[in-house]
Amino acid sequence: AIQLTQSPSSLSASIGDRVTITCRTSQGIGSALAWYQQKPGKPPKLLIYDASSLESGVPSRFSGSGSGTDFTLTISSLQPEDFATYYCQQFNSYLITFGQGTRLEIK
Amino acid sequence: QVQLQESGPGLVKPSETLSLTCTVSGGSINSYYWSWIRQPPGKGLEYIGYIYYSGGTNYNPSLKSRVTFSVETSKNQFSLRLTSVTAADTAVYYCARAGVADAFDIWGQGTMVTVSS
Repeated sequence: AIQLTQSPSSLSASIGDRVTITCRTSQGIGSALAWYQQKPGKPPKLLIYDASSLESGVPSRFSGSGSGTDFTLTISSLQPEDFATYYCQQFNSYLITFGQGTRLEIK
Repeated sequence: QVQLQESGPGLVKPSETLSLTCTVSGGSINSYYWSWIRQPPGKGLEYIGYIYYSGGTNYNPSLKSRVTFSVETSKNQFSLRLTSVTAADTAVYYCARAGVADAFDIWGQGTMVTVSS
């Protein structure tokens, strides 16, 4: 199975900060990567698909980049509603796998 | 817009079978891949597998010997059966649609299933 490693596992940031979360895969997956945001008690919400395509309705402060084995999710200017847990997910192989999550907290 | 809703027992005894159904509303099940994903309390997401409306399936190898999916297009529903459950199967179970580029673009609200005697 393709392993996904997110870093950091958690981080503290302030409103207005620029934040970057990294996802590294154990083997190349092209651009077959998605990013999700999950708030407590809620299902994950798709933010980015195909590594860099913004899902409809998602604010433009979210962006994704990367290909192969190294990917990033960037939030350009943190808003109060952005504090949540973020997951990457690969769909390059038949066994879909998720990263372990990055918890974004208010500093 | 398309919505998903999970239903089924919230409590299952060890060694018994967990059965859940996902109802698709606001759209047809007759396209896309339909998936099950679970999340143990306080932990990350685990992919269980998917079923296509025509019945084709793909299962996570770690669960393949215990899991079965089915689809009932006339009711716009698909289902999960997980046999011989243990406490390790305690989780929130989500159904989801694999939409554009196979990413999960629509999710149900999730249903908590506890395995306990």
